[in-house]
Formats: sequence, C-alpha cells, structure tokens
Amino acid sequence: DVKVTQSSRYLVKRTGEKVFLECVQDMDHENMFWYRQDPGLGLRLIYFSYDVKMKEKGDIPEGYSVSREKKERFSLILESASTNQTSMYLCASSWTGALQYFGAGTRLSVL
Amino acid sequence: DQQVKQNSPSLSVQEGRISILNCDYTNSMFDYFLWYKKYPAEGPTFLISISSIKDKNEDGRFTVFLNKSAKHLSLHIVPSQPGDSAVYFCAASARGLNTNAGKSTFGDGTTLTVKP
Repeated sequence: DVKVTQSSRYLVKRTGEKVFLECVQDMDHENMFWYRQDPGLGLRLIYFSYDVKMKEKGDIPEGYSVSREKKERFSLILESASTNQTSMYLCASSWTGALQYFGAGTRLSVL
Repeated sequence: DQQVKQNSPSLSVQEGRISILNCDYTNSMFDYFLWYKKYPAEGPTFLISISSIKDKNEDGRFTVFLNKSAKHLSLHIVPSQPGDSAVYFCAASARGLNTNAGKSTFGDGTTLTVKP
C-alpha cells in the first residue's frame, strides 16, 4: 500500500512563527502536492513538485514556500504564520498519472 | 474562474436508495476524471475514475457517468449505505498536457449523509 505520512496531525502555533509541515511518501512517486482544505472551498493547491528541487506554484501560494531536497520528502513552510492560515493541510503524491494518494492531514491552528 | 464545480454542498438520502452526486467542468482540455471520498480527520481516498474516451465506468456499487458534450459527470451509489456518509470530491486532470505533472483540479466537495 502507498503510504503518505504527514508528521503532525494537529499543530498550534502563534502568529509570526515559522512553521514547517513535513510530508513523506514511500512509493518513489515523482509528484508531490500541498493543499489546504477549508469549509466550502474544497481542496486548493498551494504548491506542487514534479521532481527533486523542482517546484511550481499552485492556486494560492502567497504566504507559503516549499522544499524538496529528497524525492520522498516535501515540506511546506509558513514563513510567518497568520491567523488566516488556520486550516487543514493535506499532502499528496502521485506517479505520472492523475491519481493522487493523500496523507491524513495536519490541522493547523494559528493563534 | 472555478473550472470544476460541485453545485450541491450537501445531499441526504435514505439507506438503500440511490445517491447521485454531480460535477460540472469548464476546461475542454480535461480528459480524466476522478472521485475521491473523505471521512473527517482523514485524507481523501480514491474511489473511481473515468477517461474521456468512455462514458461510463462501474465498480461495484459505484458508477461514474461522463457526458462530454455537457461537460458533466455524475457518481451514482446504489444501494447507499450509512458507511458511505462522507465528503465526495470530484477532480479533473488534463493528462494530455506534458506539463501536467499529475496535477488535478478539485471541486468544492459534496457532503453525503446516508440515513439508516
């Protein structure tokens, strides 16, 4: 079975803190994705990566950055957390096709 | 401009009846469509997909229908069970584009409640 592991299920951070969300996949997938899910807004793509050290902006990249130093690991970074970044964050990976495998999600609260 | 729309935020059906979830898209480059199911506090999981060369794909109780001319797809669940209660996301992908990188565009989701 494909496994996508997000390092934290719940996080509480203060406004202005730097926040790292980590994601690891064990299937040697080329592509990795970060989404946020908010009520009534579905899944919105923040960033994705199709190879090591490669990244592309998604639909809502503002306030976020990413890092992919190894194929299996994709990190989402909030440089200075703000309350409007309180959300459920979902990581996903895929091979070359469209089928994505998701992690369990990280619920981030920024106070 | 939202390219994938699920116009019904919620749907409630009785156990044993049919559930029909709808999805509309605007981008004619989309050629592959997927449905995911999401339970609370879990990530979405793949349910069923359909390529644009087909108009129907069936997997057990789940059937997806695609109407390309109307840019519309639907997911039918028959019979519905209480365990089907979840959020269902429609997703679309343009696999023919070599820069796609497996990217999909998701709808906002429909919350299905199946009552015993």
